[in-house]
Amino acid sequence: GAGVSQSPSNKVTEKGKDVELRCDPISGHTALYWYRQRLGQGLEFLIYFQGNSAPDKSGLPSDRFSAERTGESVSTLTIQRTQQEDSAVYLCASSLVTRDIQYFGAGTRLSVL
Amino acid sequence: AQSVAQPEDQVNVAEGNPLTVKCTYSVSGNPYLFWYVQYPNRGLQFLLKYITGDNLVKGSYGFEAEFNKSQTSFHLKKPSALVSDSALYFCAVRDADSGTYKYIFGTGTRLKVLA
Repeated sequence: GAGVSQSPSNKVTEKGKDVELRCDPISGHTALYWYRQRLGQGLEFLIYFQGNSAPDKSGLPSDRFSAERTGESVSTLTIQRTQQEDSAVYLCASSLVTRDIQYFGAGTRLSVL
Repeated sequence: AQSVAQPEDQVNVAEGNPLTVKCTYSVSGNPYLFWYVQYPNRGLQFLLKYITGDNLVKGSYGFEAEFNKSQTSFHLKKPSALVSDSALYFCAVRDADSGTYKYIFGTGTRLKVLA
């Protein structure tokens, strides 16, 4: 079956512009995660959705970052007024919580000029 | 608060030799521990996990990891390294008593297996 799909794969934007990143999880996966991976660094937790529960937003670095999820399907991560330090690979993962294994997408590489 | 430490940025090992990639963790409750691998130009893939039971966990591609509660460690091991094992390895932890499925990842260790 299809894996986790992220789009776009690459995004180049100018400082101050807004960007929207999309994640299509594996069908039936109730949990969805967003991470940020800066060059040469580890995965930084951003936000987590689980079913109809309120999302855990504790990792969002500033109020410029927001994310939404429609039911148990698509999620979008929005970064407003992008800054150069937002340049990173943004990874999405989905999971069946009963299995406790995350399946990752290929990521969106964001470059803010 | 949860945390994971991978003290080595890079590990070099000769092909055929045993390898160890280190991970230590800190959680207030019971730890669920994971290893993921990121091959060049590919997404992260699950390798293995420790939930409960035997302290030695076996996973994909011949990897195994040993849970040591007293040392709060979960080191990844393989008896005989292959050049194709060269990749970036991440350790992750979840606090099973926290009521959430939030994972904290380490900073990653780059494994280089030399022919």
